[in-house]
Amino acid sequence: DTGVSQDPRHKITKRGQNVTFRCDPISEHNRLYWYRQTLGQGPEFLTYFQNEAQLEKSRLLSDRFSAERPKGSFSTLEIQRTEQGDSAMYLCASSSGTAGDTQYFGPGTRLTVL
Amino acid sequence: AQSVTQPDIHITVSEGASLELRCNYSYGATPYLFWYVQSPGQGLQLLLKYFSGDTLVQGIKGFEAEFKRSQSSFNLRKPSVHWSDAAEYFCAVGAGGTSYGKLTFGQGTILTVHP
Repeated sequence: DTGVSQDPRHKITKRGQNVTFRCDPISEHNRLYWYRQTLGQGPEFLTYFQNEAQLEKSRLLSDRFSAERPKGSFSTLEIQRTEQGDSAMYLCASSSGTAGDTQYFGPGTRLTVL
Repeated sequence: AQSVTQPDIHITVSEGASLELRCNYSYGATPYLFWYVQSPGQGLQLLLKYFSGDTLVQGIKGFEAEFKRSQSSFNLRKPSVHWSDAAEYFCAVGAGGTSYGKLTFGQGTILTVHP
């Protein structure tokens, strides 16, 4: 069991730059979620995929954020023109896709925008 | 919209003492409820979950939680805390029906364990 992996684990960037994060879910899972966690807060839902279809996006996800899961396996989350307020931990989770199923989380990517 | 409140931001207990972490949720139908634990530098790990059946749920590491519909609560308990339990604990609610999937988390409770 390889679990959910995320790359990179840490990213430091300058304001205005674009960044892309990758998430590899557990192989048989067809649901993939992205969350954002800021210091002292619980994770906040951003978006999720059922296979390659993006089924829901949070209002937190501005136009500068885009997520893809092109082949229903790994997913990428891109942030364009980063702002200091984007500094956070970005968490990915996957699940089997049945009601009440368990979401398994990756270690996260910590983004720091200078 | 669903929401979760964890009233205690920080709790300190002595090793060997009992523990109860509070969680209150708001959701219009029967919710799916989860407790996750997060250690520094680690991802979120599921402790236990409730989605139907027995309202007293057993989890890993000796934790249990009880779903009380009348109080909209899902409190986490452990009879005897170990130093390794020091971490941050998150309660989460998941929607049911056709909207199932996304989780709404509480703010978290940081647990400190004194020797």
